[in-house]
Amino acid sequence: DTEVTQTPKHLVMGMTNKKSLKCEQHMGHRAMYWYKQKAKKPPELMFVYSYEKLSINESVPSRFSPECPNSSLLNLHLHALQPEDSALYLCASSQGQGAFTNEKLFFGSGTQLSVL
Amino acid sequence: AQKITQTQPGMFVQEKEAVTLDCTYDTSDPSYGLFWYKQPSSGEMIFLIYQGSYDQQNATEGRYSLNFQKARKSANLVISASQLGDSAMYFCAMRESYTGNQFYFGTGTSLTVIP
Repeated sequence: DTEVTQTPKHLVMGMTNKKSLKCEQHMGHRAMYWYKQKAKKPPELMFVYSYEKLSINESVPSRFSPECPNSSLLNLHLHALQPEDSALYLCASSQGQGAFTNEKLFFGSGTQLSVL
Repeated sequence: AQKITQTQPGMFVQEKEAVTLDCTYDTSDPSYGLFWYKQPSSGEMIFLIYQGSYDQQNATEGRYSLNFQKARKSANLVISASQLGDSAMYFCAMRESYTGNQFYFGTGTSLTVIP
C-alpha cells in the first residue's frame, strides 16, 4: 500500500464552522506533512510531524490546528476560517529518517476547501 | 534567495516531441536531493524522478530523465515523446541534509501538450 488517503475530497464551510481534514497512510512512514496550495502556485508547508511530535510549524494562524493521534493518522482541525483560506490542502508523508536526502514525499490527492 | 528557481511559467510542446523543463537550485549543503513532481488538474502531486547530489549518473525513469549539471546547479527535467497526458504543472523540489524534513519547491511550470 503506497497510498496517502485524504478525506473529504471537497469541503465547503462557513466562517463560523468547525471542520476537520483527515489523512491516513499505512506505509510505516514517521513524518507527515500538511501543505496549503493555491491554484497555479507551489505547495506551502504548514506543519510537519515527526514521530508523532510537531517538528515544524510555519507560523500558521491558530485557526488551523494539527493533530497526530498515531503514526498513521494526521488531522487538521479548522475553526473560524477566512475566505482567503480557500485552497487545496495536501497531506504528505515520508519515511521520516530526517537527514536522508533521498526520502521523497508521498502525497494524497488533497482536500479542496472553500470558505464562504 | 530562492532555493529553487523555475523560470518557465508555461511551456508548449507538440505531441511526440521532447521537452526540457528548467530548474536551478541554491544550496551550500554538500548533501542534497532533487525531485520532480507532476500535478495534473486533478490535484495529486505525483513523484517523477530523483537525483542525489553524489550521484554520478543522470537519473532516468522511463520517458523522464534528469539533466544534472552540478557545477551549474541545474537539474532540468527532460520528457521524451510527449503525450497528451503529460499536460500538467511540474514542480522541481529540493531537500537538504541540513534541514531534515523541509522540502523547497519551485514556482512550477505549466506544460501543455498540443496534439
